[in-house]
Amino acid sequence: QQPVQSPQAVILREGEDAVINCSSSKALYSVHWYRQKHGEAPVFLMILLKGGEQKGHDKISASFNEKKQQSSLYLTASQLSYSGTYFCGTEASLTGNQFYFGTGTSLTVIP
Amino acid sequence: DTAVSQTPKYLVTQMGNDKSIKCEQNLGHDTMYWYKQDSKKFLKIMFSYNNKELIINETVPNRFSPKSPDKAHLNLHINSLELGDSAVYFCASSHKRYRGPGTEAFFGQGTRLTVV
Repeated sequence: QQPVQSPQAVILREGEDAVINCSSSKALYSVHWYRQKHGEAPVFLMILLKGGEQKGHDKISASFNEKKQQSSLYLTASQLSYSGTYFCGTEASLTGNQFYFGTGTSLTVIP
Repeated sequence: DTAVSQTPKYLVTQMGNDKSIKCEQNLGHDTMYWYKQDSKKFLKIMFSYNNKELIINETVPNRFSPKSPDKAHLNLHINSLELGDSAVYFCASSHKRYRGPGTEAFFGQGTRLTVV
């Protein structure tokens, strides 16, 4: 039931772009994205709802393809502050009792 | 004001002991959660409470028991601690929309539990 993320880890130079994918075996109602810096709590980035929407803020955006049960997080012109572990979180029901975090993607941005 | 606060931040204890971790949120959310994050950083949901009712109870040993005196608090009690219980435990809260996906979850700072 845990969504699978790819890649597991990625190293970027400042200014490069990255894509993180999240894939679920279940039909989804929503996808959440979180970032966790080392030693800190996960912090919410955005939520995408059923309907195939795309969202973004600053240079981080995401898409949700409900037919494929997949979501992708796009980081453009990466900054050092983007380093951390990114988690998707998926909801497979309206009752909220099927929310699971993905396997995580470690992103390291180097100068 | 801290939105979701949990105590203690660090907890070192011996095998077989019983311990509790406290969590409080001042966001007015109606759903609270406990997550366990292991050394591989996997975030696994343990419990979810919505309006004081348990709505998720994953395959967690019954040595773990959530206690919610009111909707702003969700404490985690652990009996007979084992080495494998060592992990970081996060409390979180969110507002569950009626018949819709939940809103974003806010996390506490985590409790690093080390069982020796």
